Amino acid sequence: QKEVEQDPGPLSVPEGAIVSLNCTYSNSAFQYFMWYRQYSRKGPELLMYTYSSGNKEDGRFTAQVDKSSKYISLFIRDSQPSDSATYLCAMSADNYGQNFVFGPGTRLSVLP
Amino acid sequence: EAQVTQNPRYLITVTGKKLTVTCSQNMNHEYMSWYRQDPGLGLRQIYYSMNVEVTDKGDVPEGYKVSRKEKRNFPLILESPSPNQTSLYFCASSPIAGGVETQYFGPGTRLLVL
Repeated sequence: QKEVEQDPGPLSVPEGAIVSLNCTYSNSAFQYFMWYRQYSRKGPELLMYTYSSGNKEDGRFTAQVDKSSKYISLFIRDSQPSDSATYLCAMSADNYGQNFVFGPGTRLSVLP
Repeated sequence: EAQVTQNPRYLITVTGKKLTVTCSQNMNHEYMSWYRQDPGLGLRQIYYSMNVEVTDKGDVPEGYKVSRKEKRNFPLILESPSPNQTSLYFCASSPIAGGVETQYFGPGTRLLVL
C-alpha cells in the first residue's frame, strides 16, 4: 500500500462546477497537510496548507482534513478554466518542509 | 524576485554520459532538495541538504550525487545515467526554520536518457 493515495484522474468538469479532490494516507504521524497546484511545464506551487484536523478556507478553495479517517480533501467552488492543472496533496509529520510525502496528483480540466 | 532556477530545462542524453543539473536559489535558504516526478508516483525525494557541506539521502538516491559547496547552489549529478532516470526533476528550497508553507520549487528539468 502506498503511503499516500490519490486518484490520478483526469477529471473534467464544466466551468462553475464544484470540484472535490481527495487523498488518503496510511501514516498516522502526519500532521501537516498541503495542496499544491502544478501547471503544465511548471513547478508545484503551494495552494493551501492545514495543520491537524479541520477546515481551512481561502477564497474559492477549502481544504478539509479528517485525521480519524486519514482522508483529506480540497474543494474548489465556481471552478474556472484557469484552475486546470494537476493538484498534488502532500503530507508531513513535522513543520520543517523537509519530509514531505506527495500523492501522485490529480489532473483537472475545467471546460469553458 | 524570490526564485529557484534550474538549468537546463530540457536535456536529452545517452546512457553513461555524465551530466549535471544545476539549481540555484536567491532567498538565502539553508535547506535545499531534489525530487523526481514520475507518472503515478508523485514527487519522490532524491537528496536534501540542510546547509553548506551537509547532505543526506532521500527516498530514491541510487544513481545520483549532490554537493553543497555554496549556500545558493545545489547541483544534481548523474555520473552514469540510465534510461530509468528519465524523469522530471525539481529542485526546492526553504529556510531551515521555516514551516512547510515556505518551500519553493524550481520550474523543473525534463531529462530523457536514451
